[in-house]
Amino acid sequence: DTAVSQTPKYLVTQMGNDKSIKCEQNLGHDTMYWYKQDSKKFLKIMFSYNNKELIINETVPNRFSPKSPDKAHLNLHINSLELGDSAVYFCASSRLAANYGYTFGSGTRLTVV
Amino acid sequence: GENVEQHPSTLSVQEGDSAVIKCTYSDSASNYFPWYKQELGKRPQLIIDIRSNVGEKKDQRIAVTLNKTAKHFSLHITETQPEDSAVYFCAAAIDADGLTFGKGTHLIIQP
Repeated sequence: DTAVSQTPKYLVTQMGNDKSIKCEQNLGHDTMYWYKQDSKKFLKIMFSYNNKELIINETVPNRFSPKSPDKAHLNLHINSLELGDSAVYFCASSRLAANYGYTFGSGTRLTVV
Repeated sequence: GENVEQHPSTLSVQEGDSAVIKCTYSDSASNYFPWYKQELGKRPQLIIDIRSNVGEKKDQRIAVTLNKTAKHFSLHITETQPEDSAVYFCAAAIDADGLTFGKGTHLIIQP
């Protein structure tokens, strides 16, 4: 069983479209995150949820909206996609807090054309 | 917020030699310092971590050292092998805050 699973693995879409990426963890972790990895491999935090509540919201355009229906799921919805949104998006989870270490999902490679 | 600097950005070593990657952090309240390895096209995976109450930790060929006074920590890989080739990330965290990552080091093991 995959501990942190993301779907889809690849997503190619046109500018202006709206898309969602789903993430689920079966580790019983309390906190989930979304990170963006750009072409230079830099990993930057976007959002963090603890037990369905938003605890970190870095400077991210409001076109990005996370949704956590329960503590095992954290989805990312993106409106009006732009070329600059092309990146790999990683979901991660941790027990209690970040200082217990992350388990990452396999990533979603988003390409906006 | 926390800022993590990582050097070098690229490191090439001969197979069998040692590799050292260094990171500095800005917030003295950070108390957890993990290292992740990311192979091409794959997810980052935790390889070793250290907490602020420990100065050094070792796991087979991998070791991490922490100097809280200077706010820096380092990853040491001995007897490097081809499968050690990857991008390595250091990170720092303060309790409930998310991990702040360094910009990564591309480690190349030359045969």
